[in-house]
Amino acid sequence: DAGVTQSPTHLIKTRGQHVTLRCSPISGHKSVSWYQQVLGQGPQFIFQYYEKEERGRGNFPDRFSARQFPNYSSELNVNALLLGDSALYLCASSFPGTGVQETQYFGPGTRLLVL
Amino acid sequence: RKEVEQDPGPFNVPEGATVAFNCTYSNSASQSFFWYRQDCRKEPKLLMSVYSSGNEDGRFTAQLNRASQYISLLIRDSKLSDSATYLCVVITNSNSGYALNFGKGTSLLVTP
Repeated sequence: DAGVTQSPTHLIKTRGQHVTLRCSPISGHKSVSWYQQVLGQGPQFIFQYYEKEERGRGNFPDRFSARQFPNYSSELNVNALLLGDSALYLCASSFPGTGVQETQYFGPGTRLLVL
Repeated sequence: RKEVEQDPGPFNVPEGATVAFNCTYSNSASQSFFWYRQDCRKEPKLLMSVYSSGNEDGRFTAQLNRASQYISLLIRDSKLSDSATYLCVVITNSNSGYALNFGKGTSLLVTP
């Protein structure tokens, strides 16, 4: 079975532009989460979606938005890019549920550089 | 106060040593706890879930202390391949919403 896939792998944008990142979960997983990881820090939770509904949101500005599609894939959109948005963006999928079912399976990430 | 706090290290230990990491969390309503491992420029991968009764997987032992709101990871007989960043994860699902918080990670370097 394929793991979590993300595209693109790398991206360079300039300040003020918009970016869309894509994620496909592991087959059978219905929940997708997005994280931002800057160098030297742990991943920061941005969103979790389950069955196309937002289940949770981290402390990120409204420039960040996401959605989940009927096939459980997801997009993360960031508007009006700032230099500080440069980071590794990780997507993770999981079963819905509690406890061990909330294990996050991560994709390889998209490295975004904002110039 | 951050939701999840870890000592960033680095921890430099010789092969065969025993090393322990702690992680504290601020929300007493948190329900699920995990340790992840992240290698340089790679995505995090699950190391183990953490249960209230404590659990062991080979050389790795995880403990949860709800009263003191901390979780721990013990690595025995360290191997060179254990060198990585270890991230603790705390999940809270309450009336105020769902949140999944990572610590900053603790860096481990095992030396020959």
